[in-house]
Amino acid sequence: EADIYQTPRYLVIGTGKKITLECSQTMGHDKMYWYQQDPGMELHLIHYSYGVNSTEKGDLSSESTVSRIRTEHFPLTLESARPSHTSQYLCASSEYRGRDANEQFFGPGTRLTVL
Amino acid sequence: QKEVEQNSGPLSVPEGAIASLNCTYSDRVSQSFFWYRQYSGKSPELIMSIYSNGDKEDGRFTAQLNKASQYVSLLIRDSQPSDSATYLCAVNSDSNSGYALNFGKGTSLLVTP
Repeated sequence: EADIYQTPRYLVIGTGKKITLECSQTMGHDKMYWYQQDPGMELHLIHYSYGVNSTEKGDLSSESTVSRIRTEHFPLTLESARPSHTSQYLCASSEYRGRDANEQFFGPGTRLTVL
Repeated sequence: QKEVEQNSGPLSVPEGAIASLNCTYSDRVSQSFFWYRQYSGKSPELIMSIYSNGDKEDGRFTAQLNKASQYVSLLIRDSQPSDSATYLCAVNSDSNSGYALNFGKGTSLLVTP
C-alpha cells in the first residue's frame, strides 16, 4: 500500500486567497507529480519533480507553483485563488527501478472549491 | 489528437461475467502501460502494469498489450459489484523525460447483481 498523504482533503476558500496544498510521501520516491482532475475528465499533469530542487511545469498550463526542498515533500501553492481553480488536485510519486518498474502511486487528493 | 483513447461507457456486465476494457494510444515509443481503478470521489488506485507484449495475469485481472497495434486491454474475470468503478488507462509520455503519464478519460464499469 502506498504511503502518500495530502492535506487538506477538502478546502473551500474565497477568491484572492493564497493557499498551499500539502503532499508528503514516506516511500523515499525521487519523483513526484501533481495532477488536476475535473469531474468526468482525464487527469492532467500540472507539475512534476525528479528530485530535490528539481521542478518542471507539466502539460496543462497552471497558475500554481511548486517546490521540492525535501525528498518527501512536494507542496503546491496558489498565490491568488480564483473560481477557475476549483478542481480535484492529486499528488503522486514514483521510483524508477528499471524499464519495467516505474509505477506511480496516488495520494487521496484535495478537493478545492473557490467561491 | 487524443493520446490515450478509451470508450467512456458505461459498460454494464452481470455479476460473474468477464468485463473487457480497451484502450488505444498514439505514441509509438511508449514503453509503460498501466490500469488504474477510480471509485467516484476517490483517487486512482493502481491495478496492473504491463511493459511487454502479451498477457499479464494477477488474480482476476489480466492485462493484454499489443504494441504493434498500439492497444492495451484489461479483462476482469468473475466480475463483482465491488468492481463497479471507472477504469483509467495510462501510458508513459514521451515528453517530460518519459516518466509522466498520459491518462485516458476512463471507462465506467457497472457490474449488476
